[in-house]
Amino acid sequence: QKEVEQDPGPLSVPEGAIVSLNCTYSNSAFQYFMWYRQYSRKGPELLMYTYSSGNKEDGRFTAQVDKSSKYISLFIRDSQPSDSATYLCAMGEGRRALTFGSGTRLQVQP
Amino acid sequence: GAVVSQHPSRVICKSGTSVKIECRSLDFQATTMFWYRQFPKQSLMLMATSNEGSKATYEQGVEKDKFLINHASLTLSTLTVTSAHPEDSSFYICSARADRGLSYGYTFGSGTRLTVV
Repeated sequence: QKEVEQDPGPLSVPEGAIVSLNCTYSNSAFQYFMWYRQYSRKGPELLMYTYSSGNKEDGRFTAQVDKSSKYISLFIRDSQPSDSATYLCAMGEGRRALTFGSGTRLQVQP
Repeated sequence: GAVVSQHPSRVICKSGTSVKIECRSLDFQATTMFWYRQFPKQSLMLMATSNEGSKATYEQGVEKDKFLINHASLTLSTLTVTSAHPEDSSFYICSARADRGLSYGYTFGSGTRLTVV
């Protein structure tokens, strides 16, 4: 079993839809949780990070963490074609390297 | 915000030659650098972790003599792929971590696409 599981998609939605991206994890030692966006042939770009269970909102993005269920989500409201990318969840412990999910490819159709 | 500059963005080299990839943290001191490899449509695979002034720690299965990592200063780390072969063709990404709070942690470079012909 992988430490972090993420549905690879691809996920195709119409413009304006609400997108839900999810990851589950097995390592209860993870302390912080992140979502990265990666465009084709580019490095990952940090979207959201959080330390604790609950919701964190930033513009059209909401990150949700449920430590008891070992489940994190990223919601994108009013999705735009420019949101088309691969979304990677990542989790960290201390100063160690992040552990990434496999990434979900999102395509927002105009 | 934190910026990591990675060069070159793309390189094509002949089999048997060596290629050096540089990563620089532009506005912060990177106490730790991580080097990743990414195959098409796959996630990032950690290759090695390096702390400034120390030898890099390589992940299992990564040949340290083939992938030479140098982290001689707090703003520069290099990855040299020695005697490159076509199977080394991949997307290489660095990530710099600073001990200044999470928002400055784990900043990624833009990646280097290596093609070995």
